[in-house]
Amino acid sequence: QVQLEQSGAEVKKVGASVQVSCKASGYTFANYGISWVRQAPGQGLEWMGWISPYNGDTDYAERLRDRLTMTTDTSTSTAYMELRSLRPDDMAVYYCAINGHSYNFALDVWGQGTSVTVSS
Amino acid sequence: SYEVTQPPSLSVSPGQTASITCSADKLGNKYVSWYQQKPGQSPILVIYQSRKRPSGIPERFSGSNSGNTATLTITGTQAMDEADYYCQAWDSSTRVFGGGTKLTVL
Repeated sequence: QVQLEQSGAEVKKVGASVQVSCKASGYTFANYGISWVRQAPGQGLEWMGWISPYNGDTDYAERLRDRLTMTTDTSTSTAYMELRSLRPDDMAVYYCAINGHSYNFALDVWGQGTSVTVSS
Repeated sequence: SYEVTQPPSLSVSPGQTASITCSADKLGNKYVSWYQQKPGQSPILVIYQSRKRPSGIPERFSGSNSGNTATLTITGTQAMDEADYYCQAWDSSTRVFGGGTKLTVL
C-alpha cells in the first residue's frame, strides 16, 4: 500500500540544522509532489513547502524560504527537508505528505510525523 | 500573505449537524481540502476539491465552497467525529491552512 515512513525524533541546539527524511513506498515516487507540514505543540498545521520529485521544482512558504531546503532522491524514493538556523519556535512535529496521489488538490497520504526538539 | 480563518471551537450534541466554516478572500475561487486530526495522530483527508469525499470517508461528511466561505458539514455527528479539523486553500500559488477548529461532541 501507499505509505510514507519518516525518520526518527531529533534533538537540536538553537542555531543548528535538522534534516528529516521521508521514504515513500507503494507507488511511483516521481509522479507526485511531496509537501512538508509542521505543527508546533498545541498549535495548528503550517504548510512549509512542496517539491516535485520528477524535476526538483520547489515552492517554499515565504517566511521559511531563507532557511529551508527540500530535496529528493529518486533512486531511493526518499524526500528530505532541511531547516537551518533553528530557533525555539521551530520545535514541532514535521510531516511529509503526498500531493494528490488519489485525490487532486489534497494531501492524501501522510507520514507518521517526526518530532524536532530545539533546545538552548 | 493569504490568510484563512476558522472558528477555534465548536460544540455539538450527538446526532446534530456540525458546520465548520473556513473564510478567506475569494475562497470560492480556490479548491479547499479538509483534514481531521485526532490527538497524537497524523491528519487524514476528509474532503477534497471543496466538495468531494475520499473513499472510506463516511457520507455524513460533506463540503461546500462559495464566495468567501467554505463549509465542512457533518450530518448526524458521532462521538468518533470529535477531533480538530483544518481547511486548506489551494491554487497555483497558495497552500495555506486555516488555524483549525476543535470539534467537541457532548
